Amino acid sequence: NAGVTQTPKFRVLKTGQSMTLLCAQDMNHEYMYWYRQDPGMGLRLIHYSVGEGTTAKGEVPDGYNVSRLKKQNFLLGLESAAPSQTSVYFCASSYLTGTTHNEQFFGPGTRLTVL
Amino acid sequence: AQSVTQPDIHITVSEGASLELRCNYSYGATPYLFWYVQSPGQGLQLLLKYFSGDTLVQGIKGFEAEFKRSQSSFNLRKPSVHWSDAAEYFCAVGDRGFQKLVFGTGTRLLVSP
Repeated sequence: NAGVTQTPKFRVLKTGQSMTLLCAQDMNHEYMYWYRQDPGMGLRLIHYSVGEGTTAKGEVPDGYNVSRLKKQNFLLGLESAAPSQTSVYFCASSYLTGTTHNEQFFGPGTRLTVL
Repeated sequence: AQSVTQPDIHITVSEGASLELRCNYSYGATPYLFWYVQSPGQGLQLLLKYFSGDTLVQGIKGFEAEFKRSQSSFNLRKPSVHWSDAAEYFCAVGDRGFQKLVFGTGTRLLVSP
């Protein structure tokens, strides 16, 4: 049971390049999330998904797109990277027990630098 | 919308001393509350959570937290800090709908010998 995994761990991009971050979870969780972490700002929610085929915007969605084609995977895309997107990106997943939400499980993070 | 305030950016505690990290939240109803810990270069690990019931919750690694509705607080405590507790600690509040989390800005704990 690997939990939540993220690919890649590190990446350097030039301004204007595109890339996709992959998040995978093997816990059969319904909910998945993408956050970014910047110094002094904690974690901020970019996009989230409440099930396969559904996505929604979080607090800071501009410049990012997501897809959840399979329940276990949640992809975060940057179509045209900007230096302001330099950050550490975390994926998380969670599940329901009946109607009660449970805690989120986090991946190890992807450190992205945009030059 | 919910929000979380962690007023202390850094805290230094001597090894063996007690610890209290402050967390205040804003939410219109009874929230889900969490404390996560992040070691350098690592992801976030759940320390403890409050959903309902007993307002004093026990977590892993000897941590506990107390939910005080009247003060909108959920402070984290540990009676005796170990050097391995040095890390960054995040308080988070979740809404009871889609369980989106809002995180505080974190408190970095330094442990002195």
